[in-house]
Amino acid sequence: QLQLHESGPGLVKPSETLSLTCTVSGGSIISSTYYWGWIRQPPGKGLEWIGSIYYSGSTNYNPSLKSRVTISVDTSKNHFSLKLSSVTAADTAVYYCVVATPRAPAYWGQGTLVTVSS
Amino acid sequence: DIVMTQTPLSSPVTLGQPASISCRSSQSLVHSDGNTFLSWLQQRPGQPPRLLIYKISNRFSGVPDRFSGSGAGTDFTLKISRVEAEDVGVYYCMQATQFPHTFGQGTKLEIK
Repeated sequence: QLQLHESGPGLVKPSETLSLTCTVSGGSIISSTYYWGWIRQPPGKGLEWIGSIYYSGSTNYNPSLKSRVTISVDTSKNHFSLKLSSVTAADTAVYYCVVATPRAPAYWGQGTLVTVSS
Repeated sequence: DIVMTQTPLSSPVTLGQPASISCRSSQSLVHSDGNTFLSWLQQRPGQPPRLLIYKISNRFSGVPDRFSGSGAGTDFTLKISRVEAEDVGVYYCMQATQFPHTFGQGTKLEIK
């Protein structure tokens, strides 16, 4: 069974770039069966899909974040990453990495809280 | 974006009794490939969400058979045949037919 683990700074300053990595174990990231994505949840609120990537590198981003988001995959390390630039307090959230198949978020990381504050 | 609307937003239920949550999408969720990518997720307190149902009615691995999904087009329902204490949490519907994928607001299931 796939297991996912998010890692990265828990505190980011306003206007800087949030960077998170999701390490995948129990399976290969080189799979046409899955796509790999990020979902976030502001404290006490609902879920927001950020974007996703296939192992081929093809991406889809939420238009509300598109100009600030980059998702990439490193097949040699079996992980994928999220970068969100020019962050503000509104980007404070628990960030989850997920694996989707078939187009359903089947496997989730435990989530990592990222706080945007000076 | 497709808007997902859940009702009710809160559902107090007696243990052992059934529960039902509705989800309506602002447009049809039938994909050009014929599939309908409507999922249901459960989020227990302090936990990440967990996939319960995918493609309207398919239970994910390890999900008890008291959970069932139904619907078509724009109207979908999650049913719990007999609520247990471990079912407390927030339930979300999610569409993945169209990008960006979108979620309902969540329905809080609590025990009376």
